Amino acid sequence: DTAVSQTPKYLVTQMGNDKSIKCEQNLGHDTMYWYKQDSKKFLKIMFSYNNKELIINETVPNRFSPKSPDKAHLNLHINSLELGDSAVYFCASSQDLGLADTQSYEQYFGPGTRLTVT
Amino acid sequence: AQSVTQPDIHITVSEGASLELRCNYSYGATPYLFWYVQSPGQGLQLLLKYFSGDTLVQGIKGFEAEFKRSQSSFNLRKPSVHWSDAAEYFCAVRDDKIIFGKGTRLHILP
Repeated sequence: DTAVSQTPKYLVTQMGNDKSIKCEQNLGHDTMYWYKQDSKKFLKIMFSYNNKELIINETVPNRFSPKSPDKAHLNLHINSLELGDSAVYFCASSQDLGLADTQSYEQYFGPGTRLTVT
Repeated sequence: AQSVTQPDIHITVSEGASLELRCNYSYGATPYLFWYVQSPGQGLQLLLKYFSGDTLVQGIKGFEAEFKRSQSSFNLRKPSVHWSDAAEYFCAVRDDKIIFGKGTRLHILP
């Protein structure tokens, strides 16, 4: 069974379009994340949600809007796509926020969505 | 600000040889440290983690890492690499979020 799944795996679209990437986890985790990995493999967190509540919102253009309909899903919607948005987007989940010493904060990653904006 | 440095962008070793990937961190308190591996076209998988206790940590796939506070390092090691170990390796430190290093690409020579 896939633990963290993302759809689509590949997404090719034109500048100015609006697109969504979906993420689902079947691990029963409370926390989910979106990461962006650029062409140089640099991985940077964009958002995290804990029990459907936004916890981390890094300096990301407001064209990016995450939505968490329930604990198992965290979708990413992108408006007015730009060339610079081309990247691989990873969804991840963890049991907890890992803020207490007893919490592991181990993250499980999805396979990624390669977004190409032309 | 907390940071993680992986000084080697690429490392090439022969199959069967030993491996050490370097990681240095900058963190004020006791760090929570991780090593993740990313195979081509895949997501990241946790190899091992250090929270406290024994400074030599064993992970999956035969990897281990040693936390050295005096050197602010958390280097990843494997005594004998296999061709399937060719991948991108990321060191990470936990603050209020996980901060990843820029990765080291491991190439294996037959």
